[in-house]
Amino acid sequence: DSGVTQTPKHLITATGQRVTLRCSPRSGDLSVYWYQQSLDQGLQFLIQYYNGEERAKGNILERFSAQQFPDLHSELNLSSLELGDSALYFCASSVWDGGNTGELFFGEGSRLTVL
Amino acid sequence: ILNVEQSPQSLHVQEGDSTNFTCSFPSSNFYALHWYRWETAKSPEALFVMTLNGDEKKKGRISATLNTKEGYSYLYIKGSQPEDSATYLCAFPYSGGGADGLTFGKGTHLIIQP
Repeated sequence: DSGVTQTPKHLITATGQRVTLRCSPRSGDLSVYWYQQSLDQGLQFLIQYYNGEERAKGNILERFSAQQFPDLHSELNLSSLELGDSALYFCASSVWDGGNTGELFFGEGSRLTVL
Repeated sequence: ILNVEQSPQSLHVQEGDSTNFTCSFPSSNFYALHWYRWETAKSPEALFVMTLNGDEKKKGRISATLNTKEGYSYLYIKGSQPEDSATYLCAFPYSGGGADGLTFGKGTHLIIQP
């Protein structure tokens, strides 16, 4: 158990809909990262938050947005869903001491299926 | 966006044999190189975070070396066991900065054959 909690574990929805994925980081970790893993693709970095603020942005679509709340949990919002958004979405957390990124602790992932 | 390349893509190894595989990354503005193991139906788990040129880290039968000047890292597994079957990922800070998200390679899929 990594200490990172993601909900829901599975989600099935239709094209055009909007969903929210939730992540609670490990106790004490201030950084939260979102990754997408699609079929035949590696882990694609979407976005990072540190202590409530956006820290780095990767290949995140404009239809997607995220935020980190004062209690440090994070939500990834996916809207106007398309078939190609079907993927496994991972949240990870780490300690960042102002220097190098510490090891990432991954949640179990949220599997999104868009029909 | 930085490229992280791993080779080979997949590897079949007999139980008991030793093996190694490679991660290549940009050699400029180096901050850290991470190795993760990703077992099927589980989440990636960190093996090593390496920061110094010439660094060698070890965890049981698994070890890793780092050459930041030429931009590569090797992961070694000694005396492979069936439980070593997994995808091994290396990762590098996304934009070269220390606090950014990690860019992952596509991994080396290791299958240990009994």
